[in-house]
Amino acid sequence: DQQVKQNSPSLSVQEGRISILNCDYTNSMFDYFLWYKKYPAEGPTFLISISSIKDKNEDGRFTVFLNKSAKHLSLHIVPSQPGDSAVYFCAAILTGKLIFGQGTTLQVKP
Amino acid sequence: DTGVSQDPRHKITKRGQNVTFRCDPISEHNRLYWYRQTLGQGPEFLTYFQNEAQLEKSRLLSDRFSAERPKGSFSTLEIQRTEQGDSAMYLCASSSTMTSGSLLAQYFGPGTRLLVL
Repeated sequence: DQQVKQNSPSLSVQEGRISILNCDYTNSMFDYFLWYKKYPAEGPTFLISISSIKDKNEDGRFTVFLNKSAKHLSLHIVPSQPGDSAVYFCAAILTGKLIFGQGTTLQVKP
Repeated sequence: DTGVSQDPRHKITKRGQNVTFRCDPISEHNRLYWYRQTLGQGPEFLTYFQNEAQLEKSRLLSDRFSAERPKGSFSTLEIQRTEQGDSAMYLCASSSTMTSGSLLAQYFGPGTRLLVL
């Protein structure tokens, strides 16, 4: 029972362009969502979060959008940089613990 | 200020042996979490503590797994009679219940990679 799904295993974009990473969820009880970035052999690094009472949160090059009716959120990275190449995880908080998606590997080509 | 630290970073053991991992959270954080990540998957929740109290354990956590946080600071995760299926990255994270908004985020350590031969 995958409550948080990232249906695209990988994404490749050119440097300077926009990267859009998508995430769908099934549990309407989720009230807080987070995005993490993970490099190989390291733990996930927190990027940005959004409360379910909002539809957008922006932090520098990173913007997260939430569509509650569609149970969908997305992470936009503009402009994309080669250093953004990593695995990105969407996660939701439920009773204190994080429920993660499977991850999307982003490759930003110079 | 240091982040979450974990020790060891890597562990190779033979099937049937016991292993113990340690996690030191961010000092002002009262919650500590353990997750497990296997290849191609996102981290999966195992258990978490608020101070020294273990508040929740996942069904993934078999009887061979035990976690402690005796003084509400560092935590240990022990796996007894390891099996090859226990091979994974074990991640520790911490957070504070005294915050709100984006500070609800959990901050992860570098993980301990376990290989059971």
